[in-house]
Amino acid sequence: KNQVEQSPQSLIILEGKNCTLQCNYTVSPFSNLRWYKQDTGRGPVSLTIMTFSENTKSNGRYTATLDADTKQSSLHITASQLSDSASYICVVTRASGGSYIPTFGRGTSLIVHP
Amino acid sequence: DAGVTQSPTHLIKTRGQHVTLRCSPISGHKSVSWYQQVLGQGPQFIFQYYEKEERGRGNFPDRFSARQFPNYSSELNVNALLLGDSALYLCASSQVEALMNYGYTFGSGTRLTVV
Repeated sequence: KNQVEQSPQSLIILEGKNCTLQCNYTVSPFSNLRWYKQDTGRGPVSLTIMTFSENTKSNGRYTATLDADTKQSSLHITASQLSDSASYICVVTRASGGSYIPTFGRGTSLIVHP
Repeated sequence: DAGVTQSPTHLIKTRGQHVTLRCSPISGHKSVSWYQQVLGQGPQFIFQYYEKEERGRGNFPDRFSARQFPNYSSELNVNALLLGDSALYLCASSQVEALMNYGYTFGSGTRLTVV
């Protein structure tokens, strides 16, 4: 079954601290993996996109890693800011009969406290 | 340049009714996809359209249908609404057909409440 599991479900950190979010997937055949940031009541905003051959991708203070062998990804946030408070969603896309079907994780809710 | 626009932003319907949600993609984007996001969960893929043709379908009942118009805008239709259809409905657009290595941009969604 094609699934994307994220952990932790929620996380509270202090401003300025680093944190790492995890994503494990069973989606196959793998096409790409994306991390999105979603503010409450808004649409998700793309942070990173990684294909099978990419191990790491950075976007400012966000760094995503991918281990396609173990089907695991992580999103590391450096020097967190209050504006980082949001839900972070891992999305894995599979190729299926000429189409590309995305499977979304349930997200990790991050709260950054001053 | 406008992003992905969805209308209406909020909607309240009664069980059994029908609803039509609308999406205008970013100018130049030819692919539109629809997602349902129930409160507290990640989005679920419903449909993808490219050049007015359906190119992907998620695991949703036939009560859900969609279409894409010549100007690449799209409608999502839901018939015989159930309480469980209450969700944030997101639309995303991208330049190309395949959702492979390209990002797609989401709209802010339509919040549908079924009572």
